[in-house]
Amino acid sequence: GENVEQHPSTLSVQEGDSAVIKCTYSDSASNYFPWYKQELGKRPQLIIDIRSNVGEKKDQRIAVTLNKTAKHFSLHITETQPEDSAVYFCAANGGAQKLVFGQGTRLTINP
Amino acid sequence: DAGVIQSPRHEVTEMGQEVTLRCKPISGHNSLFWYRQTMMRGLELLIYFNNNVPIDDSGMPEDRFSAKMPNASFSTLKIQPSEPRDSAVYFCASRTGQNTEAFFGQGTRLTVV
Repeated sequence: GENVEQHPSTLSVQEGDSAVIKCTYSDSASNYFPWYKQELGKRPQLIIDIRSNVGEKKDQRIAVTLNKTAKHFSLHITETQPEDSAVYFCAANGGAQKLVFGQGTRLTINP
Repeated sequence: DAGVIQSPRHEVTEMGQEVTLRCKPISGHNSLFWYRQTMMRGLELLIYFNNNVPIDDSGMPEDRFSAKMPNASFSTLKIQPSEPRDSAVYFCASRTGQNTEAFFGQGTRLTVV
């Protein structure tokens, strides 16, 4: 079955700097890779997703890259702001619609 | 649409008691997922359904856990008997199909004492 590994588990950056979170997956049939943000005490919510027919997608300060050959994908947040502080989860949609999440990255933006 | 609705929001129960968590997916969504979230293990997929049929329950930790989806608008996750290590936040999520956004409910915070 699908297995998703996410790194780092915690990340602390200065406000205005960039943050990068990386994930790898095991199921070569996976073709959909969403990223979720979870603020303290709240539900995870989608911030960006990418499908296997593209290598990169950008939405304002957030971008995601996908390397299907290497089975890894990354989230890039530029010009970080205090409201970016949260836990971020990557996920991969493997065979039979199974949506598996990584362990999460706790991102802290220092003013 | 009100989104995915879970109940109760909080549940405190004694060890050995039966616990039932409930989920109402978004109307028209045909996939439903149950996840358990803990600090140590992150978001674990317990079981998921397509068109009310359980597809993969390999994430269900033990026989004490069971899930049903009797119709397209309702699912339950039952723990019997409950144990302190079951304490966690349980999320239900639904989506329209493969490669689409999964929407999460507010979660149920379960505490077993």
